[in-house]
Parts: sequence; structure tokens; C-alpha cells
Amino acid sequence: GAVVSQHPSRVICKSGTSVKIECRSLDFQATTMFWYRQFPKQSLMLMATSNEGSKATYEQGVEKDKFLINHASLTLSTLTVTSAHPEDSSFYICSARGLAGRGGTDTQYFGPGTRLTVL
Amino acid sequence: GDSVTQMEGPVTLSEEAFLTINCTYTATGYPSLFWYVQYPGEGLQLLLKATKADDKGSNKGFEATYRKETTSFHLEKGSVQVSDSAVYFCALSGQGAQKLVFGQGTRLTINP
Repeated sequence: GAVVSQHPSRVICKSGTSVKIECRSLDFQATTMFWYRQFPKQSLMLMATSNEGSKATYEQGVEKDKFLINHASLTLSTLTVTSAHPEDSSFYICSARGLAGRGGTDTQYFGPGTRLTVL
Repeated sequence: GDSVTQMEGPVTLSEEAFLTINCTYTATGYPSLFWYVQYPGEGLQLLLKATKADDKGSNKGFEATYRKETTSFHLEKGSVQVSDSAVYFCALSGQGAQKLVFGQGTRLTINP
């Protein structure tokens, strides 16, 4: 089936540094990728939607200058948390949606998540 | 706007018990409906889906039927196992929309 990977799975960084998280669709081309944030024991909060080759669309309340998203190819999107602070600590999950017939056009396939801890 | 409401958890059952997790939705048109499962420390896995009224999604012994008349997509399993312990999310994708709208999640614990 459709497989999505994330790297790293876990990262610990100091306050003020930037962290990049990669999301890859391994066996299909993802025309659209999504980035979510999940707080402990809560549901997923959509942060932004990115289409390959165009600027990401951010949800209300999400700072686009803090959470930089790049979707440079049909198999890779990156989320960079700039100048991270402890309140940015969270579980970040990406998902990808593919072309018709491969990965489907209405189904999102999720990565395993990245746990970010900012000290 | 579109929304999904799940039964509140946590839900605790004994092994081999019957499971129902209720999910109702509000949406215009004909959304696609999904159940995702999240095991501890992991991302979400698609469990099953249905894309039109009266469709039944099924996988790993779980089933859910798309009921347009009651705007529901309840998840059921006849005999749960300890390995089914996880958080279950009901979600919808509005007609023509890119986004998934999630319910709040239901934490399920199965005791041996």
C-alpha cells in the first residue's frame, strides 16, 4: 500500500535553534502533503497544506514564518521549525495524498510522526 | 462548517467483547468517511473508509457503514483483542475538499 516516512522520528534541540523534518511518500507521488500537530491525548490539528511546486496554505493561527514548509517534489515535503522554543514541543505528523489510482485522491496516508522536544 | 463527533473515551473492554465506537458527522453534500487508528507513539494508519452512502468499509475484523440518513459511521468489531488497544479517529473529507476533519479520538483499552 501507500507508505509515508518521516525523518527524524525523534529530535531534541536547544531553544533558538531550527529543526527540519522530512516527509516522503515512498511508493507513490504525492500531489498534496499535509502537516499536523498533535498535543498529548488530543486530536490532530492541521497546520498547513502544501501542493507540489506551490506555496503552502496555512491554517488560521499558524505562523508561516515560524513553520516553513517546502514541497519541492512529488515525493518530499519538509517542515522547518525556526527558532524553536519549548512551547513548540509536540508530535508533528505529515500525511500525503496521491494521484488517482495510486494512493488515491481522497485518502491521506500518514507518516509515523516526529516527536520534537525543545529544551 | 464540516465537523465530526465521536463518543467520548476512554473505552475499556475485556478481550473478546463486542466493540462499538460511535461517530456522527455534519457536512454538506457527500463526504468520504474514514476511520484511522493510532498506536502508542506512532502516526495514524488508515483502518477503513467508505465513499458513498450505504458503503461498508471493513478491515482486520472492523466494520463501519456509511449511513446518510443518520449521518453516522459507527465503528464495530465483534471480538476485540488486546492488540486492538489504540486511539481511534473518525474523519471526513468533504466533497471536493482536500482537508480531513477529525473527531476528537477515542482511546480504547482491551484487558486480557
